Amino acid sequence: AQKITQTQPGMFVQEKEAVTLDCTYDTSDQSYGLFWYKQPSSGEMIFLIYQGSYDEQNATEGRYSLNFQKARKSANLVISASQLGDSAMYFCAMRERSGGGADGLTFGKGTHLIIQP
Amino acid sequence: NAGVTQTPKFQVLKTGQSMTLQCAQDMNHNSMYWYRQDPGMGLRLIYYSASEGTTDKGEVPNGYNVSRLNKREFSLRLESAAPSQTSVYFCASSEDRGISQPQHFGDGTRLSIL
Repeated sequence: AQKITQTQPGMFVQEKEAVTLDCTYDTSDQSYGLFWYKQPSSGEMIFLIYQGSYDEQNATEGRYSLNFQKARKSANLVISASQLGDSAMYFCAMRERSGGGADGLTFGKGTHLIIQP
Repeated sequence: NAGVTQTPKFQVLKTGQSMTLQCAQDMNHNSMYWYRQDPGMGLRLIYYSASEGTTDKGEVPNGYNVSRLNKREFSLRLESAAPSQTSVYFCASSEDRGISQPQHFGDGTRLSIL
């Protein structure tokens, strides 16, 4: 079973609209961290936002916010007032305490977001 | 602010050749990681180094070796390259192994094995 599932391979959104990118995760750990990364066409991985499993409030960073629903094991990224520069691949990732013996992030397959003018 | 620097950015190898990918970070981070990214996939962990002097296998370690040369540098070696190792390789670092610590990535190395 996949640990991180991103169900939207691609999305087209009109500029200035809000965008929600879906992410569900699977873990038996009580303590874990959830991350979102942006990968523009130039290829680099850019850290956007973090949510801890014990955080009671949803994380926010500028135009990015995380809709965290722990019981549903979902951590959706919300981008407000989308811009052309938001066009990119977006990856959801998780870091578990136990890690199954291996450290590091477990990534989903990503969502390709295209903002249309 | 260089962050995480990877060299080279591009490389083409023939099957059976060997190569070392270099990675250096200037953020005084303790933990370093190597990932590979294949088309349509997220990143998968190859090897990591939780701290200087330690290395451990990740999800896809076969065909690779690593060396944590010092706190700054973490190299990835392909001893006998195979076409299945054609990929984009990313090095990353984080302050430590804490689950709240984001990993900061280099720009990647695009490696093609013919």
